[in-house]
This record gives sequence, structure tokens and C-alpha cells, in this order.
Amino acid sequence: AQTVTQSQPEMSVQEAETVTLSCTYDTSENNYYLFWYKQPPSRQMILVIRQEAYKQQNATENRFSVNFQKAAKSFSLKISDSQLGDTAMYFCAFMKGETGANSKLTFGKGITLSVRP
Amino acid sequence: NAGVMQNPRHLVRRRGQEARLRCSPMKGHSHVYWYRQLPEEGLKFMVYLQKENIIDESGMPKERFSAEFPKEGPSILRIQQVVRGDSAAYFCASSRRDSRTDTQYFGPGTRLTVL
Repeated sequence: AQTVTQSQPEMSVQEAETVTLSCTYDTSENNYYLFWYKQPPSRQMILVIRQEAYKQQNATENRFSVNFQKAAKSFSLKISDSQLGDTAMYFCAFMKGETGANSKLTFGKGITLSVRP
Repeated sequence: NAGVMQNPRHLVRRRGQEARLRCSPMKGHSHVYWYRQLPEEGLKFMVYLQKENIIDESGMPKERFSAEFPKEGPSILRIQQVVRGDSAAYFCASSRRDSRTDTQYFGPGTRLTVL
């Protein structure tokens, strides 16, 4: 079974600064996908970024980028130029990559990020 | 293009009653997933359905819980004889096809409170 661990329960960052959120995972799979989802106070789950394990290049989406270390099973999210609207819970998630029925997401417990004005 | 719709947004039930949660996937999406979020926890997978088929129900409790996704109409998550431990936020997600190639888009969730 896969597990996703987010050991930091909460973090705080000053507006316009950079923050990194940590995530580690455990799997025996070689082919898989990793995700970061954001859950603002509205509780809507919003996809932030996605990484395919077979790709060596780290994914980026505007101010959001990841540091994917496959050997270390680490998948951290870097948020640059933090904005007040980034205040939310952030969840790291894992999905197996094999064909078949296993397209479910396995989530970590999440981290609460507060951006200070 | 409307997103994933869930209703009701809030549902209050007394112990022993039934709860029915509805999910309408995005237009063109035929894959639906249900997740449960307990307080201070991440989302936990419950069930994965395609039209008229349950593909993976490995996360569903063995009793009282059932799900369907009929040919016409929304997907339904049904909880019979609710207990206080069922209080949680229930999220539905949909994708156009297999989520290895397609993103799962989430609805706003239904918050179930059992009194």
C-alpha cells in the first residue's frame, strides 16, 4: 500500500516571499503520479500541480514548482512570491500509474499555509 | 462549462436516518470518484465508478454505504442508518477518462452532520 506523509502541520510566510512545503511518500511502484492540491477556506479542492514519476524534469505552473526526488521519495512544493490568496490547506497526493482500476488518489494529511500581509 | 456539482452542500441527519449525497460530474466526464474527509484529516478514497459500473470500492465501509452512477442522472452516495462517526465532508471528483491521463476535478463537497 502507498502512504503519503506531510509532517509539517502548518506554516506561515510573509506576502511576496517564498515558501516550501514538504511531502514524502512510500511505494514499491515505479510508475506513478504525484499531485499537490489546494483547499482554501471555501473547501473546494483545486489542483495546483502534477508530476509524472517517469519525467526527470520538475513540473512548474507559474509561481508553483516542485522538487521531485524520486530516489528519496520526496515531492516538495515551492510557492514563489506568495500572495494572500495562497492561504489554504495544501495536500500532497499519489496515484499509481499502471493501467487498470487503480486511478484513486492517496492523500497526505495536509498542511495549513498562512500568508501574512 | 459548469464544474462538478454536489448537493446538498450541507446535510443534517439524526442517528439512524438515511443520507443521500448527489454528484453531477462535469459535462463529458464519465468517471466519478467519492472521497471522505474527516476533521483534521486528508481525503480518503471510497469508491470509483463509471456509468452503471462500480470499478473499485476498496475504500467503502462494508456495511451501510453504497454508491451508484446510473446511465442517466447523478452519481449517488447513500449512507443508511447514519451514526455520529459518519459526520464528515464528502467530496466527489470526475474525470473525462482514465485519470492517469486526465485530471480529477473536485466538487465543493457535502458536509454531513449527524446529530
